[in-house]
Amino acid sequence: QQPVQSPQAVILREGEDAVINCSSSKALYSVHWYRQKHGEAPVFLMILLKGGEQKGHEKISASFNEKKQQSSLYLTASQLSYSGTYFCGTETSSRGSTLGRLYFGRGTQLTVWP
Amino acid sequence: NAGVTQTPKFQVLKTGQSMTLQCAQDMNHEYMSWYRQDPGMGLRLIHYSVGAGITDQGEVPNGYNVSRSTTEDFPLRLLSAAPSQTSVYFCASGRLAQGNQPQHFGDGTRLSIL
Repeated sequence: QQPVQSPQAVILREGEDAVINCSSSKALYSVHWYRQKHGEAPVFLMILLKGGEQKGHEKISASFNEKKQQSSLYLTASQLSYSGTYFCGTETSSRGSTLGRLYFGRGTQLTVWP
Repeated sequence: NAGVTQTPKFQVLKTGQSMTLQCAQDMNHEYMSWYRQDPGMGLRLIHYSVGAGITDQGEVPNGYNVSRSTTEDFPLRLLSAAPSQTSVYFCASGRLAQGNQPQHFGDGTRLSIL
């Protein structure tokens, strides 16, 4: 059930771009993206639904390919504050109710250097 | 606004002891869940609830019990703690609607079992 994230880690200079990928073996209703700073709780970034794409933050956007069961998170012109671990959470569309049940990937550690 | 409140923030137990991790939310969310976070493993779903009196298992339920007697509270019980349960535990809540509702996380409980 756990989605697969790649890469495991990314190191950037300020101003550079990054892409984080999330893929699932099951059909998806939605993909959630969260960022977690060290020692803190995960913080919601955005949700992508079937048939739509939603931008939740400036310079951070995402796409959702339903057929491929994949989502990508795009961070453009990265800032120091973007550093942290990014998690995707997937909500699957299986028989029976999976309402609200999120399974998270193992995370991508993003480090932005000045 | 309190949001999701977890207590305690830190706890050390001995093997075989029992303990209850508390989670309360004041947003009238139907959905609540417990995750454990271990290095390199991401967030793994332990148990979840879609409303008072209704609970279900996630990916790693063994060794944990939950109950949901009210909308606000969702305690997690360790009946006989084992060193393998050393982890950071997060409680989360959200509205019950498929695909478009973010989860709000508590600050976590850091649990060590000796």
